[in-house]
Amino acid sequence: GQQVMQIPQYQHVQEGEDFTTYCNSSTTLSNIQWYKQRPGGHPVFLIQLVKSGEVKKQKRLTFQFGEAKKNSSLHITATQTTDVGTYFCAGRDSNYQLIWGAGTKLIIKP
Amino acid sequence: DSGVTQTPKHLITATGQRVTLRCSPRSGDLSVYWYQQSLDQGLQFLIHYYNGEERAKGNILERFSAQQFPDLHSELNLSSLELGDSALYFCASSVAIRRGDRGADTQYFGPGTRLTVL
Repeated sequence: GQQVMQIPQYQHVQEGEDFTTYCNSSTTLSNIQWYKQRPGGHPVFLIQLVKSGEVKKQKRLTFQFGEAKKNSSLHITATQTTDVGTYFCAGRDSNYQLIWGAGTKLIIKP
Repeated sequence: DSGVTQTPKHLITATGQRVTLRCSPRSGDLSVYWYQQSLDQGLQFLIHYYNGEERAKGNILERFSAQQFPDLHSELNLSSLELGDSALYFCASSVAIRRGDRGADTQYFGPGTRLTVL
């Protein structure tokens, strides 16, 4: 079946460093959503990207959707302790089903 | 608070037993999704219901079943439980998602039910 590959699985950064997670699909997606799950919490919707080449910003977070609508990325500038958690992408396939990436866990080194 | 409620919050049971997890979606949401999340793992999609009808199945075991009732709440039934079924089970709801519906389809997650099988 269709898969959305998300890398890396973990990323350790010093506070203040940048963080990026990438998602790749084998087929074209209708849209892609991003969610954040804090430790001990539940996933919370961050944003949805729909258009080819779309870029959206939320403060220090930048989301991109590739031109071919097969890949996406989330970049966090100057990480803070509040950014800790797991970031999931979820792409909507041609059957309009949501296909989830495995998540990237952001860990801030003490 | 997402507006999605799940009960119970915690459940401890023994192998071979059967349990029922309950989910109440946000007011007005017709779609309910169930997910399983094992320790430090990703979200495994189990099943999707829309207005009482099953719409999609993911990696749901035959020992598991679900239904959505006329009042739109949903129940996930897990039977013949095994140690490996220990996990966090999330329910999520969205406004309405049907083929051809291109509106916003954000999923709102409940707090989850943590199931421990001993």
